[in-house]
Amino acid sequence: GDSVTQMEGPVTLSEEAFLTINCTYTATGYPSLFWYVQYPGEGLQLLLKATKADDKGSNKGFEATYRKETTSFHLEKGSVQVSDSAVYFCALSAGTGNQFYFGTGTSLTVIP
Amino acid sequence: ETGVTQSPTHLIKTRGQQVTLRCSSQSGHNTVSWYQQALGQGPQFIFQYYREEENGRGNFPPRFSGLQFPNYSSELNVNALELDDSALYLCASSLEQGRGYGYTFGSGTRLTVV
Repeated sequence: GDSVTQMEGPVTLSEEAFLTINCTYTATGYPSLFWYVQYPGEGLQLLLKATKADDKGSNKGFEATYRKETTSFHLEKGSVQVSDSAVYFCALSAGTGNQFYFGTGTSLTVIP
Repeated sequence: ETGVTQSPTHLIKTRGQQVTLRCSSQSGHNTVSWYQQALGQGPQFIFQYYREEENGRGNFPPRFSGLQFPNYSSELNVNALELDDSALYLCASSLEQGRGYGYTFGSGTRLTVV
């Protein structure tokens, strides 16, 4: 079945460090891939998405490239800020409906 | 543009009771989905409604049921509550169904079953 495997956390980085959160997926067909972010006590916010192979999603300095050959969608940011501290979820949507499959989430803490 | 709003934000119920959670979808969105997020886990798909019809369901028992109304707002009902039902319940709406459309999520309802 469809699934997402996400790098386990927690991850702690110093401000201005480089961030990578790994995400790989298993899916039938051609899924769309997403990264969502969840701040404490809040729901999920869409961070970026890619709908086909080789697409790059980007937003607020975050980027992720849809790699079909490695079934991956790793999240990167060149210089993290304290305000980036949150839980990040990789997700996929496949098939005719809009059901999302989420990873277990990666908690990021950025220290000054 | 209003986002997705859920009510109540928190509630506590006793095992065996029934609960109804409510969701107002974002303006113009006709697809609503419900997710259960246990502590420290990713959200798990419960079901989806598209134009008032259920059109997808995850691995949840029949005591989890729902409705979508003509204005596209939605309810999640859970009967015979169990301790394991304690979780954050997220409602999400989308402009259309289909794999390319992202969801807009509400802030969730935190349900505690004691």
